[in-house]
Amino acid sequence: SAVISQKPSRDICQRGTSLTIQCQVDSQVTMMFWYRQQPGQSLTLIATANQGSEATYESGFVIDKFPISRPNLTFSTLTVSNMSPEDSSIYLCSVAQGGDTQYFGPGTRLTVL
Amino acid sequence: KQEVTQIPAALSVPEGENLVLNCSFTDSAIYNLQWFRQDPGKGLTSLLLIQSSQREQTSGRLNASLDKSSGRSTLYIAASQPGDSATYLCAPLKAAGNKLTFGGGTRVLVKP
Repeated sequence: SAVISQKPSRDICQRGTSLTIQCQVDSQVTMMFWYRQQPGQSLTLIATANQGSEATYESGFVIDKFPISRPNLTFSTLTVSNMSPEDSSIYLCSVAQGGDTQYFGPGTRLTVL
Repeated sequence: KQEVTQIPAALSVPEGENLVLNCSFTDSAIYNLQWFRQDPGKGLTSLLLIQSSQREQTSGRLNASLDKSSGRSTLYIAASQPGDSATYLCAPLKAAGNKLTFGGGTRVLVKP
């Protein structure tokens, strides 16, 4: 199974600022995903991070607000831009191995004041 | 669009009882289905994965069944323990390499 780490584990940010979240995997993976979990809610996919090309965003999420980088097969970043209190959530990255089992990182808990 | 429903939303049982968690999904054309556990404020831990061709999958005290044609999966946890207290999420996968669609989860509390 893949071991995934995320940085930071949590942060408190001011309205209007940006935060970049890092996701590191211990092995090369083809598929990486970024999810958001708002308070008391289930997980919603933000985008699929593609290596060597632009991320694929789900309906309701745009690149200007959530720019994603995927420079290689073990690393990705998600930036939450121009934050508002509504962006307070847990952000999780996940990876798929062999197209089957998906594994999740420990999450980044973001609070926006 | 796949929609996933989990019933009940919350469950409280005394230690030692068996747990039955239900998951239903609207699009039966799935590749596989995963069950996850999430502790408060934490990430997800994969519990079981059932391929679309399988009827059930077992790991220790956990057993998950899948009835793809009726769009249902059930997670059974035998002889529950206080450490089983968590939120349990089911997530069918449409195709290999595709995104998971999550249910709202069942929040479980096992009382000592």
